[in-house]
Amino acid sequence: EIVMTQSPATLSVSPGERATLSCRASQSVSSNLAWYQQKPGQAPRLLIYGASTRATGIPARFSGSGSGTEFTLTISSLQSEDFAVYYCQQYNNWPLTFGPGTKVDIK
Amino acid sequence: EVQLVESGGGLVQPGRSLRLSCAASGFTFDDYAMHWVRQAPGKGLEWVSGISWNSGSIGYADSVKGRFTISRDNAKNSLYLQMNSLRAEDTALYYCAKDPAHGVAVYYFDYWGQGTLVTVSS
Repeated sequence: EIVMTQSPATLSVSPGERATLSCRASQSVSSNLAWYQQKPGQAPRLLIYGASTRATGIPARFSGSGSGTEFTLTISSLQSEDFAVYYCQQYNNWPLTFGPGTKVDIK
Repeated sequence: EVQLVESGGGLVQPGRSLRLSCAASGFTFDDYAMHWVRQAPGKGLEWVSGISWNSGSIGYADSVKGRFTISRDNAKNSLYLQMNSLRAEDTALYYCAKDPAHGVAVYYFDYWGQGTLVTVSS
């Protein structure tokens, strides 16, 4: 099983600032990585797939990069609606696995 | 509009069984793989199981293999999860999720339902 780790566990950011979230895989997943956003009481929402492709309707301030074992989600200028938990997920191998999440909260 | 509506959750004793259902609408159900993903209270996401459009390819997390069975009825636009020998650690919100690729699955999730809560306790 591929183990996904995310850092930091919590990121405190002021509105308008840049947020950089990291995700690491225990072995290469190529570019088969997705990012999701989850707000309290809501289902997750797909943000990024293929490590760097934004899903339909996702604002351009969200960007993804990386391949192999190291990935990054960047939110260029945080808006109030972006404070949430972010999960990465590898889909290169079964079982599909998620990272433990990074909570982005208001500084 | 894609809609996924889960049902069948509830309180169940350890060792008992439960069957979850997911009613899909707003897309051609039999063109897409489907998945179950769960989230224990206050915890992260865990993929549980996935099934291809024609049920020809099925996968399970190690934590549920041999106890859970995924199935689908394309005529009824429905996805199911039969859960046997339930344990306390199976307590979670169970989401139904759609694979985005038409035909051959890609194994991430573009639409999610709102979930159905399963509580395993005596």
